[in-house]
Amino acid sequence: NAGVMQNPRHLVRRRGQEARLRCSPMKGHSHVYWYRQLPEEGLKFMVYLQKENIIDESGMPKERFSAEFPKEGPSILRIQQVVRGDSAAYFCASSMGRDNGYTFGSGTRLTVV
Amino acid sequence: DAKTTQPPSMDCAEGRAANLPCNHSTISGNEYVYWYRQIHSQGPQYIIHGLKNNETNEMASLIITEDRKSSTLILPHATLRDTAVYYCIVRLQISSGSARQLTFGSGTQLTVLP
Repeated sequence: NAGVMQNPRHLVRRRGQEARLRCSPMKGHSHVYWYRQLPEEGLKFMVYLQKENIIDESGMPKERFSAEFPKEGPSILRIQQVVRGDSAAYFCASSMGRDNGYTFGSGTRLTVV
Repeated sequence: DAKTTQPPSMDCAEGRAANLPCNHSTISGNEYVYWYRQIHSQGPQYIIHGLKNNETNEMASLIITEDRKSSTLILPHATLRDTAVYYCIVRLQISSGSARQLTFGSGTQLTVLP
């Protein structure tokens, strides 16, 4: 049973480009969470999704960021027109939606140059 | 979710028990205590969680005080690979079908010394 898979592991984008980060939850998990960790800082919650629904996006920046978790396929975190301040590690976690601990992926490290 | 307070850093000798404290004095009756750790540049790793009884698994033990206002994570025989940031998180018991997000604080940087 594979864990939470995130790809790519490392992503380099120039300012103004789009970044697409993918997360495949563990088998049987229908709840996905995205977190961002800026350099030397803690993890900050961004968004919580279930299949085809955004449950809580209170941590998402108001502009340029969007997330989806379609019926088929991985969850996608999209950052449009990236800026240097978007450089961070982005972690995805999944759960079964009950009182269980989350399982985190290894993260995608985005570098904006 | 209740706020938690942890010391910013701790050292522990290899092979000795590491005892990581956490204060959560405003915890309510239906909030769980979770512990995660993050080894440098990796994704957080679940360790253990509990409500009011002490818990033990293959990784650690969780001791929760009777009034539930504090807890201690115990790594019985720390190794160098246990060097990480340890996060104590309190989360409201979820309702059926939903699972609230975890809110990470600053955690405790545990350094296991050879």
